[in-house]
Amino acid sequence: GAGVSQSPRYKVAKRGQDVALRCDPISGHVSLFWYQQALGQGPEFLTYFQNEAQLDKSGLPSDRFFAERPEGSVSTLKIQRTQQEDSAVYLCASSPGRRSNYGYTFGSGTRLTVV
Amino acid sequence: DQQVKQNSPSLSVQEGRISILNCDYTNSMFDYFLWYKKYPAEGPTFLISISSIKDKNEDGRFTVFLNKSAKHLSLHIVPSQPGDSAVYFCAASGGASNTGKLIFGQGTTLQVKP
Repeated sequence: GAGVSQSPRYKVAKRGQDVALRCDPISGHVSLFWYQQALGQGPEFLTYFQNEAQLDKSGLPSDRFFAERPEGSVSTLKIQRTQQEDSAVYLCASSPGRRSNYGYTFGSGTRLTVV
Repeated sequence: DQQVKQNSPSLSVQEGRISILNCDYTNSMFDYFLWYKKYPAEGPTFLISISSIKDKNEDGRFTVFLNKSAKHLSLHIVPSQPGDSAVYFCAASGGASNTGKLIFGQGTTLQVKP
């Protein structure tokens, strides 16, 4: 597609519910990142994929967070047993190469609200 | 530990004047710096970047300056336009990780008044 697509745009989850957030990167982009953006803050790194390999997951806040990209294209971020502190905008970004010094293309994000 | 800091939460300037947004960092291993612009309900959009081997990069109305000794960078917008009103994030990459992950500042909300 023309850009990075994320779905759903908005998600309301009850505390304790599992959620799955989807990211469709730009076709052919090797690198894919997930970021978490809390209200009034900058995006914070969660995890990085190079093709299907998850090379860095140092930013995942707990073992309730899990990400996958099984075929090296679409990625899913899963949050198990959601907590109120998980409420944030989850951003996905992709780039053509392993490391892009020309910026990454971000999606519009999924706003997750845990009630 | 906030490695990238934007100490001004907001900035208001008159249309046609210069906007200067500032950013400080602590990690001397960062080797690439970027500025992103974000409108409400949209993802950040890449604006301009600079390598640590340079001290200035210009692209149209946007210029980024890097002062490595002070660990400081700034974004200049001249002339400012109402459409520039948005949240601006500076970000840095490099350091211990070579995956290209970005460390973002907290953002500065720019308002350009007509």
